Amino acid sequence: GQSLEQPSEVTAVEGAIVQINCTYQTSGFYGLSWYQQHDGGAPTFLSYNALDGLEETGRFSSFLSRSDSYGYLLLQELQMKDSASYFCAVNSGGYQKVTFGTGTKLQVIP
Amino acid sequence: EAQVTQNPRYLITVTGKKLTVTCSQNMNHEYMSWYRQDPGLGLRQIYYSMNVEVTDKGDVPEGYKVSRKEKRNFPLILESPSPNQTSLYFCASSFGGQYSPLHFGNGTRLTVT
Repeated sequence: GQSLEQPSEVTAVEGAIVQINCTYQTSGFYGLSWYQQHDGGAPTFLSYNALDGLEETGRFSSFLSRSDSYGYLLLQELQMKDSASYFCAVNSGGYQKVTFGTGTKLQVIP
Repeated sequence: EAQVTQNPRYLITVTGKKLTVTCSQNMNHEYMSWYRQDPGLGLRQIYYSMNVEVTDKGDVPEGYKVSRKEKRNFPLILESPSPNQTSLYFCASSFGGQYSPLHFGNGTRLTVT
């Protein structure tokens, strides 16, 4: 089966940089996604990595190392509105099988 | 506006009373899926559908049914709800393909007493 591990909580200061790690065990790996979810809201897509390396989208970057079964989400210039839960998710066994991690709750403090 | 619409947003019911949670998308997406979210467990896939009349089980399908008679609709059916199905449910859709991000509905909070 599939399993993903990520820290349950992270606290960081406004304006700083924070990295949220995700390790996974899966078969038939196709890619690693990241989603953001604010309290009471729906998950929203942030990024997707199919190949090794860094993908940058504004203040957010995502990294993947397929050989290490590891990825991370990097948030720069943190803002208070970045306080949310962040989920990594793997596509395996084809695009239809998407398995989510248990989520990392990020708290940004002044 | 492109969106995934779930109804109802909140539902309180009693054990054994059949219910349906509706999901509709207006983006002509082929792929649709249902997830439940519980504290500490993240999002777990219940069922998914790759196209009309094509559905398959996810990780936690027990106690649930789905149907995909039209491309835009993907209802979740609980024939005999039990308290352990109390949860937050999300419907999601995408064009399909490994690079296609999931678009989520706003969720349905179900309480079974």
